[in-house]
Amino acid sequence: DVKVTQSSRYLVKRTGEKVFLECVQDMDHENMFWYRQDPGLGLRLIYFSYDVKMKEKGDIPEGYSVSREKKERFSLILESASTNQTSMYLCASRAGGHRQFGPGTRLTVL
Amino acid sequence: QKEVEQNSGPLSVPEGAIASLNCTYSDRGSQSFFWYRQYSGKSPELIMFIYSNGDKEDGRFTAQLNKASQYVSLLIRDSQPSDSATYLCAVNALKTSYDKVIFGPGTSLSVIP
Repeated sequence: DVKVTQSSRYLVKRTGEKVFLECVQDMDHENMFWYRQDPGLGLRLIYFSYDVKMKEKGDIPEGYSVSREKKERFSLILESASTNQTSMYLCASRAGGHRQFGPGTRLTVL
Repeated sequence: QKEVEQNSGPLSVPEGAIASLNCTYSDRGSQSFFWYRQYSGKSPELIMFIYSNGDKEDGRFTAQLNKASQYVSLLIRDSQPSDSATYLCAVNALKTSYDKVIFGPGTSLSVIP
C-alpha cells in the first residue's frame, strides 16, 4: 500500500509566522499534491509537482509556496501565516488515476 | 456552474436500507470517476472508481455512470452505521494540460441504527 505521511496532525501558529508542512510518500510516485479543505468549499488544489524540483500552481496558490528537493518529499510553505489560512491541509500522491491522501494537518493560525 | 456538484445533505437512512448518493459534473469529456469516503477528522480514502465504459460493483457498493446526463451515483446496499461519513465525488478533467482531479463538496451520510 502507498503510504503518505505528514509531519504534524495538529499545528497552531501565530499570524506572520513562516510555516512548513512536510509530506513524504514511500512509493516512488512522481506526482504529489497539496490541497486544503474547508467546510462548504471542499478540496482545493494549492500546488502540485510532477517531479523533483518541478512545481505548478493549482487553483489557490496565493500565500503559499512549495519545495520538492527529493522525489519522496513535498513541502508546503506558508511564507507569512494569516488567519484565513486556518484549514485542514492534505497532501496526496498520484496512485493510478486517483489520489492517495496523507492523514492531514489541521492548522490553526491565531 | 460548479464543475462537480453534490447535495451536501445530510442524507439519513435507516440501517439496512439502500443509500443513494449522486454527483453531477460539467466536463463532458471526463472519463474517470471516483468516490471517496471521509470520516470526521480523517482524510479521504478511495472506495470506488469507474471509467466511462461501465458501472462497477464491489461488495455492498455500486457505482453507476450516466454519461448522457453527466451524473455518477454511488449506491450502498445494506447500509451500516459504520458507513456514516462524508462521501466525495471526484472527476478526472481532461480540459487541462495535466492530470487534474476535481472534487465535489461531499455529501454527508448518516445511517441510523
